[in-house]
Amino acid sequence: EAQVTQNPRYLITVTGKKLTVTCSQNMNHEYMSWYRQDPGLGLRQIYYSMNVEVTDKGDVPEGYKVSRKEKRNFPLILESPSPNQTSLYFCASSFLVAGYEQYFGPGTRLTVT
Amino acid sequence: QKEVEQNSGPLSVPEGAIASLNCTYSDRGSQSFFWYRQYSGKSPELIMSIYSNGDKEDGRFTAQLNKASQYVSLLIRDSQPSDSATYLCAGFRNYGQNFVFGPGTRLSVLP
Repeated sequence: EAQVTQNPRYLITVTGKKLTVTCSQNMNHEYMSWYRQDPGLGLRQIYYSMNVEVTDKGDVPEGYKVSRKEKRNFPLILESPSPNQTSLYFCASSFLVAGYEQYFGPGTRLTVT
Repeated sequence: QKEVEQNSGPLSVPEGAIASLNCTYSDRGSQSFFWYRQYSGKSPELIMSIYSNGDKEDGRFTAQLNKASQYVSLLIRDSQPSDSATYLCAGFRNYGQNFVFGPGTRLSVLP
């Protein structure tokens, strides 16, 4: 089954404790992306990647890191989480051609206390 | 001014009616547009993509794009209660290769 998976789905952590949210896709997509969704603000792109070893900042990259060492995986790293990073996070992927039609993962709800 | 604007709603329509969802954008560098549907607690799912001026139809859905007016719309014909969701409009910036989403419009289809 073609899908984007994220882990964990739910995470409660404390300020400053490093964490990683994994994202994996099995569709051989070149383009992968991370978003956060907050009430009233909608989906905002954090980072994206056009291919292996190619990453770039979206609109809200502060406080986040990413890496793309393999085509299928695109982990999101919070080196020192803060309460303002409490949010719902989505990973998405698409082909570079055929219109960038993105497929989204199920989401990770992160709470930083 | 947000780059992609949508009326947050809720937009309420009776079952069987046409629901009209609108989106405006400010960045002329955005050339491709997408409509996603998001049920509460779920991830967005793609409904339509549109890249050129005019209409694009897919079943009960029609997307319209007017680049001169910087306007994108989604029409849902014969609305069903199962269409009740939040609809997200997104633009793709060709120069930056990244996406900008609107805040979404909540649609409620009343039985």
